[in-house]
Parts: sequence; C-alpha cells; structure tokens
Amino acid sequence: GQQLNQSPQSMFIQEGEDVSMNCTSSSIFNTWLWYKQEPGEGPVLLIALYKAGELTSNGRLTAQFGITRKDSFLNISASIPSDVGIYFCAGREVRDDKIIFGKGTRLHILP
Amino acid sequence: SAVISQKPSRDICQRGTSLTIQCQVDSQVTMMFWYRQQPGQSLTLIATANQGSEATYESGFVIDKFPISRPNLTFSTLTVSNMSPEDSSIYLCSVRTIMTGELFFGEGSRLTVL
Repeated sequence: GQQLNQSPQSMFIQEGEDVSMNCTSSSIFNTWLWYKQEPGEGPVLLIALYKAGELTSNGRLTAQFGITRKDSFLNISASIPSDVGIYFCAGREVRDDKIIFGKGTRLHILP
Repeated sequence: SAVISQKPSRDICQRGTSLTIQCQVDSQVTMMFWYRQQPGQSLTLIATANQGSEATYESGFVIDKFPISRPNLTFSTLTVSNMSPEDSSIYLCSVRTIMTGELFFGEGSRLTVL
C-alpha cells in the first residue's frame, strides 16, 4: 500500500544543534501530522497542518505543509536531551481519507 | 485532545491463546482505529472500528484473526486470536476528533507471545 518516505532514518546530533527531517509522498494529502514516540509510550501529536504552505510552530518545533501537498518537514531548534525519541510523520490522503505513517526518524543526542 | 485509556498495557501470552484489548475514550469521537506497531517498525492500520457494525479491515488483516467490537461512541475492543510469536507487537487504539480530524493515540498494549 501507499507509504510515506521519511528521512533520515536516524540522526546522531550534539545537544544544541538544530534538526531537520522530512516526508514525501507520491499522492496528495489534505493533512500532515507529526508525532513523537518515546519508549513504552504511544505516539504523541506534536503539530498538525491543514493547508498547503502552512507553517506552524510549537515551541522549538516548526513544521510546514509543502506547496505541492506531497511533502512536509519538521525542524527542531536547539535540541535538548529530552528531544530523544522517534518522530513519525503521517498524512491523510485526499482520495480515501486514510491516515498513513512514515517509517520514523530516530533522534539520538550525543553526550 | 481526547484522553484514551487502553488495557492491558502489557501482557505475556502463550501461543494459541487469545487476548482482548480494551479502549475507552473520554469523549465522543467520530472514528476509532486500531493500529499495530511491530518491534522497531512504524504504525500499520489494522481496521476502522465502526459503531454497531462490523469493522472495516485493511489489506492483510481479517476479522477471524482480529475481531473488533465498538458497541458505542467511546469504547472499542480488539481481540488478537490464536496468537503466535509473530503477533508480538504494540497494539494501539486511536481516535479522530470531530472538530479537527486530528488523530490521537492511547498508550498502547504491548503483547509478547511465547
């Protein structure tokens, strides 16, 4: 079935660095969602985007809905240790209203 | 956002047995879903739980293996039947809100099948 291409698969960064990850799709979406999952927990919604070109921030997190409606990115500025986790993008397809997920980006912060 | 309670949070099961997972939401929601997350993997939609009628299953998932009930707008169950070690996963209940269409998740039920 349809899958989102999420990259990078994993990141190893120093505390304080900025982080960027993105998702692309071959089909058009009407919603993009970004989640964070920590061990033993369910995914927690970070940011929701509804319009092409929309840029939304949540604290140090910023996400954008691509103009083509086929991509989105998430930036984290000035990373801190508690940012460690797996970040998932998810999109709601126009054609069937289903929400599908990317494979996740595993963020590691080096001591 | 909706508050979603799932139980059990984790269980260890024997091969060939069945386990029912419960999901309770604190508000009426339009749609409820069940996802599976295999170890180290992303989330895969199992089915949409329909109130008062049979669930809608995704390709690769069948009712005999994953029977689902949704007797009202705030409660659903997922049963994992005749379990094998390949069924060891996190099973997640999720809901979509009426107003925004955002998808929220419960804490998940982590099943280990021996």
